Amino acid sequence: EAGVAQSPRYKIIEKRQSVAFWCNPISGHATLYWYQQILGQGPKLLIQFQNNGVVDDSQLPKDRFSAERLKGVDSTLKIQPAKLEDSAVYLCASSLIGGVPYEQYFGPGTRLTVT
Amino acid sequence: ELKVEQNPLFLSMQEGKNYTIYCNYSTTSDRLYWYRQDPGKSLESLFVLLSNGAVKQEGRLMASLDTKARLSTLHITAAVHDLSATYFCAVGGAGTASKLTFGTGTRLQVTL
Repeated sequence: EAGVAQSPRYKIIEKRQSVAFWCNPISGHATLYWYQQILGQGPKLLIQFQNNGVVDDSQLPKDRFSAERLKGVDSTLKIQPAKLEDSAVYLCASSLIGGVPYEQYFGPGTRLTVT
Repeated sequence: ELKVEQNPLFLSMQEGKNYTIYCNYSTTSDRLYWYRQDPGKSLESLFVLLSNGAVKQEGRLMASLDTKARLSTLHITAAVHDLSATYFCAVGGAGTASKLTFGTGTRLQVTL
């Protein structure tokens, strides 16, 4: 079974530029998550989708971050304009709805450096 | 707001020694996860604990959950160098597919 796919793996941009990340979840997983992991910290949820609807985006900086999951499968996360403090690893995860143990499976992440 | 604290934040231990990592959380939950992260890598699931008193073991690692005390432990027995990594606990919120709130992580370094 293929895992969660993310691209690109690395991205370097200058502040005020825009960037987009892509995620393809495990087949059949209805729930998709985007996490931000700043160096030395645990991942923090940015947004959660169930199918193509947003369940939780309370910690998403909506003035600069946006995300979509149009067909309920893959998703994109965009930052526009980027700030220095956005330098982090962006992790995508997916899970089934229901079904013990409600486990989330993580992709390899995209490492973003903003200079 | 759910808060998850781990201690210690950094642990240096010799091979062959035993130690325990602690994970405390602030609100009721019946789902507790332990993940391992190697430098530059993503998160690897280690254990899922779903009920009070749950205990799971895999190799030299054993995890337990006390929901009344809001405490989980990850015990390392006879550490080996290959266990060097950062370990995170994460607590699940209400609902079957809700977000995880992660702890700060414990960076484990096992020395020869």
